[in-house]
Amino acid sequence: GENVEQHPSTLSVQEGDSAVIKCTYSDSASNYFPWYKQELGKRPQLIIDIRSNVGEKKDQRIAVTLNKTAKHFSLHITETQPEDSAVYFCAASRAGISGNTPLVFGKGTRLSVIA
Amino acid sequence: EADIYQTPRYLVIGTGKKITLECSQTMGHDKMYWYQQDPGMELHLIHYSYGVNSTEKGDLSSESTVSRIRTEHFPLTLESARPSHTSQYLCASSGVGGPRSFYEQYFGPGTRLTVT
Repeated sequence: GENVEQHPSTLSVQEGDSAVIKCTYSDSASNYFPWYKQELGKRPQLIIDIRSNVGEKKDQRIAVTLNKTAKHFSLHITETQPEDSAVYFCAASRAGISGNTPLVFGKGTRLSVIA
Repeated sequence: EADIYQTPRYLVIGTGKKITLECSQTMGHDKMYWYQQDPGMELHLIHYSYGVNSTEKGDLSSESTVSRIRTEHFPLTLESARPSHTSQYLCASSGVGGPRSFYEQYFGPGTRLTVT
């Protein structure tokens, strides 16, 4: 089955700096890669996702890149703000007409943005 | 408004009791999931369902059972609660019929369970 590794487990950055979180996956058939943000005491919420037919996707200060050959994908947050402080989870799954598997999550990265 | 609901939000119960955690969604989704998560820690998949009368065990079945008799309802039952079951339980849904992307998995607010 799928295995997702996420690094680092904790990350501290100064406000305004960039943050990068990296994940690797094992199943070459995985084709959907979401990132979730979980603030303290709240439910995980999707912040960005990418499908395997795309190499990069951006949404304002957040971007995700995917390297299918190397089986890794990364989350990039630019101009970090204190409200970006949270736990971030990457995940991978097979999704679509050819079949579906549940999301397999990484163990999470606790991001702290220091003002 | 389309959403996913969990009850109770908080529960304190004694060892050996049988409990059912409720999850309902008005998203119109066909797929539903249960996760166990200690605050801010790893998400462990307990059970999932891809439709009515379809249930599968995840990586961490945790001596619990689920049923899916109606599309919108996916309750989780612990037959005999133990202190090791103390955790947060998150329900989620995704898939065909929802207002969001086919792929997006949407989480409920969670039930915080304490077994004494």
